[in-house]
Amino acid sequence: EVVLTQSPATLSLSPGERATLSCRASESVRNYLVWYQQKPGQAPRLVIYDTSNRATGIPARFSGSGSGTDFTLTINSLEPEDFAVYYCQQRSKTTTFGGGTKVEIK
Amino acid sequence: EVQLVESGGGLVKSGGSLRLSCAASGFTFNKYGMNWVRQAPGKGLEWVSSITSTASYTSYADSVKGRFTISRDNAKNSLSLQMHSLRADDTAVYYCTRDDARLLSVYEFWGQGTLVTVS
Repeated sequence: EVVLTQSPATLSLSPGERATLSCRASESVRNYLVWYQQKPGQAPRLVIYDTSNRATGIPARFSGSGSGTDFTLTINSLEPEDFAVYYCQQRSKTTTFGGGTKVEIK
Repeated sequence: EVQLVESGGGLVKSGGSLRLSCAASGFTFNKYGMNWVRQAPGKGLEWVSSITSTASYTSYADSVKGRFTISRDNAKNSLSLQMHSLRADDTAVYYCTRDDARLLSVYEFWGQGTLVTVS
């Protein structure tokens, strides 16, 4: 099983700041890395697929990068609606999810 | 508008059974792979099971293999998850998800979830 480790567990930032979230895989997942956003009481929402492709309706302040085992989700200039939990998922092998990073208001 | 509406959750005793359903609308159901993903209270996401568009192939997480069965009825635009031998660690919100049109295991759409509690 591919284990995804997300860091940090919690990121405390102010609106307008940049968020940098990390996802590390226990083995190479090539570029098959996906990011979701989840707000309290809601289902997850697709943000980025295959490392760097924004999903429909996702603002340009969200970007993804990386390859192999190390991936990053960057949110430039945080908006109030961006504070949420973010999960990474790999779909290179039997799909698995990371444990999540909570982006909270400082 | 794509809609996925889960139902069938509830409280069940350990060792019991439950059947979840997902009613799909707003898209051509028989063209898409479908999945179940669960989330234990306060925890992260866990893939449970997937089924291809024609039901020719199904797959399961090791944690549910042999106990859960995924199925679909393309005539009724419906996805199901039959769960047997339920355990406390199956307690979770169960989400029905639809694959992206081109990308396997990219969950483009999610239902609102249905809560299963195993006591």
